[in-house]
Amino acid sequence: GAVVSQHPSRVICKSGTSVKIECRSLDFQATTMFWYRQFPKQSLMLMATSNEGSKATYEQGVEKDKFLINHASLTLSTLTVTSAHPEDSSFYICSARGRLAHLYNEQFFGPGTRLTVL
Amino acid sequence: DAKTTQPTSMDCAEGRAANLPCNHSTISGNEYVYWYRQIHSQGPQYIIHGLKNNETNEMASLIITEDRKSSTLILPHATLRDTAVYYCIVRVNTNAGKSTFGDGTTLTVKP
Repeated sequence: GAVVSQHPSRVICKSGTSVKIECRSLDFQATTMFWYRQFPKQSLMLMATSNEGSKATYEQGVEKDKFLINHASLTLSTLTVTSAHPEDSSFYICSARGRLAHLYNEQFFGPGTRLTVL
Repeated sequence: DAKTTQPTSMDCAEGRAANLPCNHSTISGNEYVYWYRQIHSQGPQYIIHGLKNNETNEMASLIITEDRKSSTLILPHATLRDTAVYYCIVRVNTNAGKSTFGDGTTLTVKP
């Protein structure tokens, strides 16, 4: 299957700072990327959907000015958590959907990034 | 996208088949059934998907009822490494489709 990577895998930052998380599709071109957040013992919650070259579409209740998403190329999307606070501590997971026909139905997930805000 | 209902948890003996049910009574005609699993502190892993026919791959089998209102994921010979949260998702197979996760089923495979 196709591979999606995330960097960093873990990050600890101070309250008020900004953190950038990268999501890359390693062996396919991703026309659509998704960002999810998962709190302990809870399910994944979709935050936003981004298409290459377009502005991201945010789910209801997700602040677009706080969670900046950039999908500048077919292999890279970034999520920046601006002015992070302890309540933003969570497991952030990206997902990518491919352009090629045999990958088009499938959504591949990255390994996740554990963010801890002190 | 239609919602799904899954049991909160299930146990299975190692080596036996694990049958995980999912109800999706409001599924639309163009929505597919997808199954993913998430092992602790990892990203979800794709397992299998189908529209209306039963499907099988190297990981599992997917049985979809004729009215498509429910499905069952079958792991034929469960191992301890299959312990995970299993998510059943229904979504369209277009650019507009997005995977919305419910609470899933926590499968525990016991020795």
